[in-house]
Amino acid sequence: AQTVTQSQPEMSVQEAETVTLSCTYDTSESDYYLFWYKQPPSRQMILVIRQEAYKQQNATENRFSVNFQKAAKSFSLKISDSQLGDAAMYFCACSQGGSEKLVFGKGMKLTVNP
Amino acid sequence: GAGVSQTPSNKVTEKGKYVELRCDPISGHTALYWYRQSLGQGPEFLIYFQGTGAADDSGLPNDRFFAVRPEGSVSTLKIQRTERGDSAVYLCASSLGFVTDTQYFGPGTRLTVL
Repeated sequence: AQTVTQSQPEMSVQEAETVTLSCTYDTSESDYYLFWYKQPPSRQMILVIRQEAYKQQNATENRFSVNFQKAAKSFSLKISDSQLGDAAMYFCACSQGGSEKLVFGKGMKLTVNP
Repeated sequence: GAGVSQTPSNKVTEKGKYVELRCDPISGHTALYWYRQSLGQGPEFLIYFQGTGAADDSGLPNDRFFAVRPEGSVSTLKIQRTERGDSAVYLCASSLGFVTDTQYFGPGTRLTVL
């Protein structure tokens, strides 16, 4: 069974600063996918970034990048130049395939201070 | 194009009643997923459809929960004899259905059982 752990329930960052959200996971599969989703108060889960486990290169999407440490089973999200609109719950998730069921962590609330 | 839509947005019912929650996936998406998100938790997988058939229903908590997708598009999650513990946000997601595809989520239905 897969498990995902987000040990920090809350974090805050100043606008324009950089923040890193941590996530660890456990899986017995060799082929798996990792995701960060953002959930604003509107409830809709929005994909931030995804990483295929077989890719050594860390994924980046504009201001968002990941630090994927496969041996340590760590998958952290770095948000650069934080904006007020980044404030939300952030969930780390894992799946055996991109289209397979997602296993989520408990989430982390990010506050962005002006 | 249109995203995943879910109706109703909010549903309040009394203990013991029957409820139906509807999900309209993104057009052309063959895979559809239901998740349940309790307060302060990450979403938990309930069931996954590939086309009209349930490919994985291992997350359904008991036989009071049932889901259908008769024409391979719209899906309905049905809960019989609701209990207060069923109160949660029910999220639906869809994907193209290939292993590498990303799941896109709807805004969810908040179910409150009094």
